[in-house]
Amino acid sequence: DQQVKQNSPSLSVQEGRISILNCDYTNSMFDYFLWYKKYPAEGPTFLISISSIKDKNEDGRFTVFLNKSAKHLSLHIVPSQPGDSAVYFCAASSITQGGSEKLVFGKGTKLTVNP
Amino acid sequence: DARVTQTPRDKVTEMGQEVTMRCQPILGHNTVFWYRQTMMQGLELLAYFRNRAPLDDSGMPKDRFSAEMPDATLATLKIQPSEPRDSAVYFCASGLGHQGRRGMDYGYTFGSGTRLTVV
Repeated sequence: DQQVKQNSPSLSVQEGRISILNCDYTNSMFDYFLWYKKYPAEGPTFLISISSIKDKNEDGRFTVFLNKSAKHLSLHIVPSQPGDSAVYFCAASSITQGGSEKLVFGKGTKLTVNP
Repeated sequence: DARVTQTPRDKVTEMGQEVTMRCQPILGHNTVFWYRQTMMQGLELLAYFRNRAPLDDSGMPKDRFSAEMPDATLATLKIQPSEPRDSAVYFCASGLGHQGRRGMDYGYTFGSGTRLTVV
């Protein structure tokens, strides 16, 4: 029972273009969503988060959009750079509704940005 | 730049041996997690602690795994006896989860992981 799904195992984009990574969830109790980036042989690194009371959060080149009715979120990277090539994980938590701080992760999308 | 420190970085052991992985969370963080990453399952939660108290270890095989926080600067994950199917990368993460939304704005910080190979 996968509560957080990243249906695209991989994505390839050209440098300078937009990268869009998608994530779907099934648990309506989730109220906080995070994106992590992971390079080989390193731990995941926190990128950006969004709470369920918002539909957009922006940090530099990274923007996360949340569509609660569709139970869908996406991470936009503009412009994409070769250094962005990594595996991106979507994660969710139900922290404010008497739930848990634990994160439920998707299986990741490998992004390759070509020079 | 605060870091979560995990040791050892790599561990190769024979089936049946005891394995102990250690984690030093970031000073001041009150929530500590153990995750395991495998190709098949992705990142799965094994256990987590808040203020050193275990809150959820439902993801852990109870008969062979144990997780503890002897003090605020050390978390341990033990496997006894180890089996080949335990081969994975084990991550520790820490954060301010108990701060609710504010804690989540900063996410959790992961260590570099312990790559365990059981032969």
